[in-house]
Formats: sequence, structure tokens, C-alpha cells
Amino acid sequence: DGGITQSPKYLFRKEGQNVTLSCEQNLNHDAMYWYRQDPGQGLRLIYYSQIVNDFQKGDIAEGYSVSREKKESFPLTVTSAQKNPTAFYLCATRGGGRGNEQFFGPGTRLTVL
Amino acid sequence: AQRVTQPEKLLSVFKGAPVELKCNYSYSGSPELFWYVQYSRQRLQLLLRHISRESIKGFTADLNKGETSFHLKKPFAQEEDSAMYYCALMSGGYNKLIFGAGTRLAVHP
Repeated sequence: DGGITQSPKYLFRKEGQNVTLSCEQNLNHDAMYWYRQDPGQGLRLIYYSQIVNDFQKGDIAEGYSVSREKKESFPLTVTSAQKNPTAFYLCATRGGGRGNEQFFGPGTRLTVL
Repeated sequence: AQRVTQPEKLLSVFKGAPVELKCNYSYSGSPELFWYVQYSRQRLQLLLRHISRESIKGFTADLNKGETSFHLKKPFAQEEDSAMYYCALMSGGYNKLIFGAGTRLAVHP
């Protein structure tokens, strides 16, 4: 698989620290998404961006922030305000047109120590 | 409220047995539904979408608007079908996906 890369694969954070998760894509897709995956809860949308310099809150945006300065990049910052940040984070992209599938990255597992 | 429900956390079958993974949705309007699959150590990937009405890896799913269901079926399960399966509903103008909690399918030899 190529096209969407997420780094790092594993990330450990101390309580009270902000951390930034990287998501890069070379698919030339306009739309990008961040999801959080927890056991027994499926995937929940954190933030999404349809175009550069624009992004919208998803269902669980509290304690997270994003930026979209370049089409290829959509970094997610997990702030100290996020009460339960330990989870698996997935980045996704989507090409143009309604109904087009979303493509997912390999994910980053964040653990708060 | 828009919601996707997958009632089974785990579905365990023997190789060659029929499989049906249940998915029910709540959505006002014409829904667009998907099944995504996550094999061990692989990325989440699209399995099929209802608008395509296709069969992928022997799996099919029919949208039943009366029962608000989109169950995933396969007549004869294979060991390689063991994976996590997510039903998803496209929502809103930004093509957001609402996912169910997922069902783990375990196919035993």
C-alpha cells in the first residue's frame, strides 16, 4: 500500500503533553479525514478537510486540533485537553465526486503513560 | 439521528458455512452504504458499496430500505475471510462516514 503515510506508527506521550500525528498523501485527493478507533466503538470522526485552508469539526473534536496548509498534509495535534487520548488514529482521503470511497492510512497508535 | 448498528461483536463460523453480518441504519433520506474490512495487520479498505451492486470476494450486500438494513452475506465462508468488518453510512454534503462498531468474523477450519 502506498499513497497515504502516517507517522509515527507508535507514539507514547506523558500526560499534559501535546503531540502531533502526521498524515501525508500523494493521491492528489482534496478531502482528508481523521478518525479515532477504539475497541467496541468503531471509528469516530475527529476532523475533516475538503480543501486546503479549510477544515471542519467532526463528532469528537474536543481536545484535538488540525491544520491544512498543503493539499498533501493534514496533521492532527492531540492536546492535553483531550481526556482519554489513548487510541488508534486513522487518517483517510477521498477523491472527487459523491460516493467515492475513502482510502485509509496505516494508522498511529497513541499511548498516554 | 444518523446511526449505524452492528449488533454482533463477534461472529464465529466454520469454513464452508454461510455467513451473514448484520447492519442496520438510521437515516432520513436516501442512504449510501458501504462495507469496509480490516484484515490482520492491514489497512482498513473498502469491500463493497451498495450503489455498485457488486460481489466482491464472494460477498454481497443488499440494501433493504423497509427494514433499514444492509446485511453482508457470503454463502461459503473461507478462513481468509477472518477480519474485522465495518458497516458505514455516508452522511451529509461533506461525504462523512458514520461507522458501526464493527463485527469480528472468525472462520475456523
